[in-house]
Amino acid sequence: AQSVTQLGSHVSVSEGALVLLRCNYSSSVPPYLFWYVQYPNQGLQLLLKYTSAATLVKGINGFEAEFKKSETSFHLTKPSAHMSDAAEYFCAANFGNEKLTFGTGTRLTIIP
Amino acid sequence: EAQVTQNPRYLITVTGKKLTVTCSQNMNHEYMSWYRQDPGLGLRQIYYSMNVEVTDKGDVPEGYKVSRKEKRNFPLILESPSPNQTSLYFCASSLKWGAGGELFFGEGSRLTVL
Repeated sequence: AQSVTQLGSHVSVSEGALVLLRCNYSSSVPPYLFWYVQYPNQGLQLLLKYTSAATLVKGINGFEAEFKKSETSFHLTKPSAHMSDAAEYFCAANFGNEKLTFGTGTRLTIIP
Repeated sequence: EAQVTQNPRYLITVTGKKLTVTCSQNMNHEYMSWYRQDPGLGLRQIYYSMNVEVTDKGDVPEGYKVSRKEKRNFPLILESPSPNQTSLYFCASSLKWGAGGELFFGEGSRLTVL
């Protein structure tokens, strides 16, 4: 079955440290892939998306993600964490049907 | 400002009392969809609409109804709410579904059914 898996429901990093949030998909055909961020009491906001144009995708707020077909992964990174990055992050995929399939989310905490 | 607007943002109701959560978008988007968000489960699609008068079930449609009489509006109807429908609901829209188009989300409606 087509699915999206996010490893780690909670991730904590120190301010200034590297942020790495993991996302893997399960599908025989690479899907379109997205990362969304959700701040408290707000809707989801698009960080970046992969649509096969380039494997390294840059998004807003200094985030980027690399699509690796051999690993069926689309991990999200940011070189230096900021306090304002604390939020919940969702990886999602469009497998060619009428919806986005979401992972279960990763809550990112930034330690001062 | 381009946006998806949901109302109400917060609602506490009782079992069996019909309610409607409204959703409106001002971006002339063809595609609209409802998701519910539950802890540990991520977001799951309830219903979607590819265009006016065209709606279909998502992954968790039981206990919900929708309609799409106008392009901008896509209300979610709970005819007889039950406690297992306590959740955070999101309406989303996209210009035209497919080919990597992104979803634009409303701010969410937190529903509690007692």
